[in-house]
Amino acid sequence: AQSVTQLDSHVSVSEGTPVLLRCNYSSSYSPSLFWYVQHPNKGLQLLLKYTSAATLVKGINGFEAEFKKSETSFHLTKPSAHMSDAAEYFCVVSDQSGNQFYFGTGTSLTVIP
Amino acid sequence: NAGVTQTPKFRVLKTGQSMTLLCAQDMNHEYMYWYRQDPGMGLRLIHYSVGEGTTAKGEVPDGYNVSRLKKQNFLLGLESAAPSQTSVYFCASERTGGEGSPLHFGNGTRLTVT
Repeated sequence: AQSVTQLDSHVSVSEGTPVLLRCNYSSSYSPSLFWYVQHPNKGLQLLLKYTSAATLVKGINGFEAEFKKSETSFHLTKPSAHMSDAAEYFCVVSDQSGNQFYFGTGTSLTVIP
Repeated sequence: NAGVTQTPKFRVLKTGQSMTLLCAQDMNHEYMYWYRQDPGMGLRLIHYSVGEGTTAKGEVPDGYNVSRLKKQNFLLGLESAAPSQTSVYFCASERTGGEGSPLHFGNGTRLTVT
């Protein structure tokens, strides 16, 4: 069975400081992993995805994530937080068929001016 | 392109009333999904469809029905609404199943059942 655990429900950072949002996954095969962002009253938007190619994945808006099989992790990072990064972030794993997705419970990111 | 469009954006129902949520996508995607989002629980899959005329149950299907009569539309029905169905509902589409194919989401429907 597949699952994801987002280790922090809330993260606060100061503007201009690094962001780290943590995600661990469980999968019986080599997974596809995604990070989505949700701004208030909006749908989810794809930030980046991992599909067994390069382990360091670059996404939109300066975000990137590193797939670490030994640690079963897929943490999301950004070198310098911007006010517009304040949102809810979801880590997602898909099953082997690619048509079932399993969502983490989300991490709310607050950026302090 | 509009992407994925959900209607209505907001709705308030009384217990026992029925309603249909409409999802339309203009990307010619094969797969479509209905999720509900509740605080602290992430998104949970209600029903999904892998093509026109097909539907399948997800994680939390009870109390909901769906139809996919046209490839671009995926309807979610509540026959007799209950307060436990108060939630934000998201529709998503996917080009095809398979490794790394991402979901494209609508902006959600906020439903309150009193």
